Amino acid sequence: GAVVSQHPSWVICKSGTSVKIECRSLDFQATTMFWYRQFPKQSLMLMATSNEGSKATYEQGVEKDKFLINHASLTLSTLTVTSAHPEDSSFYICSARYGGNTGELFFGEGSRLTVL
Amino acid sequence: QQQVKQSPQSLIVQKGGISIINCAYENTAFDYFPWYQQFPGKGPALLIAIRPDVSEKKEGRFTISFNKSAKQFSLHIMDSQPGDSATYFCAALDSGTYKYIFGTGTRLKVLA
Repeated sequence: GAVVSQHPSWVICKSGTSVKIECRSLDFQATTMFWYRQFPKQSLMLMATSNEGSKATYEQGVEKDKFLINHASLTLSTLTVTSAHPEDSSFYICSARYGGNTGELFFGEGSRLTVL
Repeated sequence: QQQVKQSPQSLIVQKGGISIINCAYENTAFDYFPWYQQFPGKGPALLIAIRPDVSEKKEGRFTISFNKSAKQFSLHIMDSQPGDSATYFCAALDSGTYKYIFGTGTRLKVLA
């Protein structure tokens, strides 16, 4: 299957700082990438849809000024958690769609964010 | 209508047994149904997927059964192994929004 790389795997930061998470499609170009948040023992919560060259589309209830998404190229999307607080601590997972609007979804390894 | 209902929430199976996880949906715009396997601390990995024009798809020990009229699909893991212990998510692609809708997940534990 297609490979999606996510970095860093885990990050610890102080409250008030910003953290950037990168998501790369390694062997295919992804026009669309998605960012999810997952709480312990729960399903995947879609945060936003990232489209290359345009603004991200955020799901209802997700603060776009808190979670900045940039999709500057066909292989890279970034999620920046701005002014992070302990309640932002979570497991963040990106995914990339392979092969158009009805293509398969491949996920990165996830990034564990802990805000102290 | 945007939901995919998944059951059971958790499942314990003996080694060598069959694990069965069920999902149901209502939205007729859903037209692609993948299953994902997730190990703790990792991202979900695509396991197997089916389109509604077939009723069954088999890949190794993993089989999807699909009932279009009932709007139900299930994952069968034959000869379950301890290494299959993970959380499994069903999903459906909404052909109207091109978004994937995920089930709530099933935590499978296979006893050695």
